[in-house]
Amino acid sequence: AQSVTQPDIHITVSEGASLELRCNYSYGATPYLFWYVQSPGQGLQLLLKYFSGDTLVQGIKGFEAEFKRSQSSFNLRKPSVHWSDAAEYFCAVGTFPNTDKLIFGTGTRLQVFP
Amino acid sequence: GAVVSQHPSWVICKSGTSVKIECRSLDFQATTMFWYRQFPKQSLMLMATSNEGSKATYEQGVEKDKFLINHASLTLSTLTVTSAHPEDSSFYICSARDFGPRGDNEQFFGPGTRLTVL
Repeated sequence: AQSVTQPDIHITVSEGASLELRCNYSYGATPYLFWYVQSPGQGLQLLLKYFSGDTLVQGIKGFEAEFKRSQSSFNLRKPSVHWSDAAEYFCAVGTFPNTDKLIFGTGTRLQVFP
Repeated sequence: GAVVSQHPSWVICKSGTSVKIECRSLDFQATTMFWYRQFPKQSLMLMATSNEGSKATYEQGVEKDKFLINHASLTLSTLTVTSAHPEDSSFYICSARDFGPRGDNEQFFGPGTRLTVL
């Protein structure tokens, strides 16, 4: 069965520090991978996605993620965190083209200290 | 980007009553919408897939008679929680899929509806 694991429930970093959020997936076929951010009172916003091709994916707000098939990982990174990045981050795997479903990880809450 | 709205943003109801939540795609047509449920500090769990003009497809363990889904138009899907009970209290989120050139099979999420059943 497909699953997504985000090992870190809560991460705290200082503003300006680098960030890496971990994501591991389990899926039998080629995965479609996503990172979403959820701010309080707002819907999930897509940061980036990987379907195929270059394994290093650039997203919005300065985020990037690297797909590593050998490690079944899709970690999210940002070189310098801003206070406005504080939010909940979700990794998800899509089961396309068989279905339209997205399977989400449990999320990582990012707290940023000034 | 594509915008999805939900109404209401929060609702409090008495046990035994029914509550309807609307999900609208504001600037695109969505043949498929999805309904998720999110418990505090937990992930989003897909409840059902709603296709315009046809019956919704429910995930295993989701009571279709309790969570009624209607997708009568290309821009509106509704979720009705019937005979709500306190255990139905949760955060309900919808998403709409845009197959257009801009959308690239991406799901766009609404802001969610907080349901509290007393």
